[in-house]
Amino acid sequence: TQLLEQSPQFLSIQEGENLTVYCNSSSVFSSLQWYRQEPGEGPVLLVTVVTGGEVKKLKRLTFQFGDARKDSSLHITAAQPGDTGLYLCAGGINTGTASKLTFGTGTRLQVTL
Amino acid sequence: DAGVTQSPTHLIKTRGQQVTLRCSPKSGHDTVSWYQQALGQGPQFIFQYYEEEERQRGNFPDRFSGHQFPNYSSELNVNALLLGDSALYLCASRKLGAGNQPQHFGDGTRLSIL
Repeated sequence: TQLLEQSPQFLSIQEGENLTVYCNSSSVFSSLQWYRQEPGEGPVLLVTVVTGGEVKKLKRLTFQFGDARKDSSLHITAAQPGDTGLYLCAGGINTGTASKLTFGTGTRLQVTL
Repeated sequence: DAGVTQSPTHLIKTRGQQVTLRCSPKSGHDTVSWYQQALGQGPQFIFQYYEEEERQRGNFPDRFSGHQFPNYSSELNVNALLLGDSALYLCASRKLGAGNQPQHFGDGTRLSIL
């Protein structure tokens, strides 16, 4: 059974602070995706990383895929209230017609003024 | 270009009833997956459809079944509803064979069982 563990589960910080969310697994994935989900909505894709060691930046967000493709991190610089939401990592294994995503437990982030 | 659309947005049922949820994939996508997201948790994979066949299934009982139509839209059926089936049901679509193209999610159907 593939499991993805995220830490921390909850994070409450003030505007302007930096934070890092971790996503760890004992399994290797073809790709690792990060989503943000707000109440009443579905997950919205932030980034996909596919190569071990890959680093991608999206404005104030930096995503890294571990060398062994088992873990990932999301770093947010100078957090803003608009960053508030549930952050989900999801590992994908694409073989033939299969494309199942295994989701992490989620990190709920609250950024206050 | 419409994204993934799901209907209905909310639904209330009682124990023992049956429910059908619907999903239209994003334009150009041919693969549909269904996920169950309980409150405070990450989504759990139910199953995936491609070419009108179930291709992969998660750890869900046979009460959960689905269908994909020739226009790629899909339905999720749940029989003999239990209180524990209360959750947000998410549909996701992607284009198969497009490498590591990500799945795109709809906003889900919130199912409440009384």
